[in-house]
Amino acid sequence: AQKVTQAQTEISVVEKEDVTLDCVYETRDTTYYLFWYKQPPSGELVFLIRRNSFDEQNEISGRYSWNFQKSTSSFNFTITASQVVDSAVYFCALTPPNTGGFKTIFGAGTRLFVKA
Amino acid sequence: GAVVSQHPSWVICKSGTSVKIECRSLDFQATTMFWYRQFPKQSLMLMATSNEGSKATYEQGVEKDKFLINHASLTLSTLTVTSAHPEDSSFYICSASADSQYNEQFFGPGTRLTVL
Repeated sequence: AQKVTQAQTEISVVEKEDVTLDCVYETRDTTYYLFWYKQPPSGELVFLIRRNSFDEQNEISGRYSWNFQKSTSSFNFTITASQVVDSAVYFCALTPPNTGGFKTIFGAGTRLFVKA
Repeated sequence: GAVVSQHPSWVICKSGTSVKIECRSLDFQATTMFWYRQFPKQSLMLMATSNEGSKATYEQGVEKDKFLINHASLTLSTLTVTSAHPEDSSFYICSASADSQYNEQFFGPGTRLTVL
């Protein structure tokens, strides 16, 4: 079975604090893709990152960074020096290899509140 | 990046009426389109997967006669909620994929349906 767990339902931080959003996944596939999406109050999903299962390099993009640990099946997301505009729901997602009809499995999401 | 539009962005209708939601890939050909449903403060749940020119594949528990999906061209898919009821009120999101190698989906902005 495939599953994505985001144990943190809501996180509240003060602006400029660093915050890490956890994501743990389950899959029996050896090849898969992991994603993070941001969903601001407007509702539109914003793609943040895609990582394939063979690439365990951590990635940094501005204030965002991702830590992929295959050994613990985790793909955590850190926002450094958070800003009010980072307030949103963040989803971690897993997509199995394309077998002619792939599906994306989303975690429950973590709602992040950044206070000024 | 690839752009996916949805129309309408929101709709209010009376119970018993049918509502059609359009999903268009604006600058690429989408071999596969997905329809998701999202209840307030919940994650995205895949409803169905459609490939151009063929019947949609519905997820377990999704009534195909209730949620009619048509993927008539490589740039357009429609979801029709037939005989809508208040419990169908939700946020409906489509996504489109062209690149099966990376299993990347591009999401539309969503349609908020309210059934009175």
